Amino acid sequence: QVQLQQWGAGLLKPSETLSLTCAVYGGSFSGYYWSWIRQPPGKGLEWIGEINHSGSTNYNPSLKSRVTISVDTSKNQFSLKLSSVTAADTAVYYCARALTIFGVVTRYYMDVWGKGTTVTVSS
Amino acid sequence: QSVLTQPPSVSAAPGQKVTISCSGSSSNIGNNYVSWYQQLPGTAPKLLIYDNNKRPSGIPDRFSGSKSGTSATLGITGLQTGDEADYYCGTWDSSLSAVVFGTGTKVTVL
Repeated sequence: QVQLQQWGAGLLKPSETLSLTCAVYGGSFSGYYWSWIRQPPGKGLEWIGEINHSGSTNYNPSLKSRVTISVDTSKNQFSLKLSSVTAADTAVYYCARALTIFGVVTRYYMDVWGKGTTVTVSS
Repeated sequence: QSVLTQPPSVSAAPGQKVTISCSGSSSNIGNNYVSWYQQLPGTAPKLLIYDNNKRPSGIPDRFSGSKSGTSATLGITGLQTGDEADYYCGTWDSSLSAVVFGTGTKVTVL
């Protein structure tokens, strides 16, 4: 049974860099994309980006200039960095496993999710 | 900000049926597979439906999905109090090269 365990700083000041890590336990790390999704208080889900075991990434265009997702295959972990945070980045951040087949018709779904990390940006 | 549009809320009595619509465009729903997620209060989202209409192991057949053109629909029959949650559709957007989610729908059991 695959499980995702995530951690990182929960309180940041404006202009700081958000840093979260997600560890994958109990399953294969290759063959999937590993994603980050966030949810502001009382709002819906927003996809941040993803990475596969080879380091290939895709990012949300609206966040791309501030986001870096990296992978450490030796530890089965992947990480998120979001720079220059503001109050608008306050949210619960989730990591998730994505099954993806890109093509003329793309299959994409997230079948395993972490429990979420609450990140608050406040001066 | 969401590319996919869902009704804010739907409700029905226990045992009844509800449907949730998800409207998009040719760059997302129209040409890619749709998934649905259930988010119970205070918890992480959970995959309910993938590839438009398939259920992961452990998801009861009370939940169903369908797609037609640029819209998708989630159906829940035999509504239970435990179904009270927020539901989101999601898919890949080929124009944005990004995952997009619906605006979310809150299901209330009366």
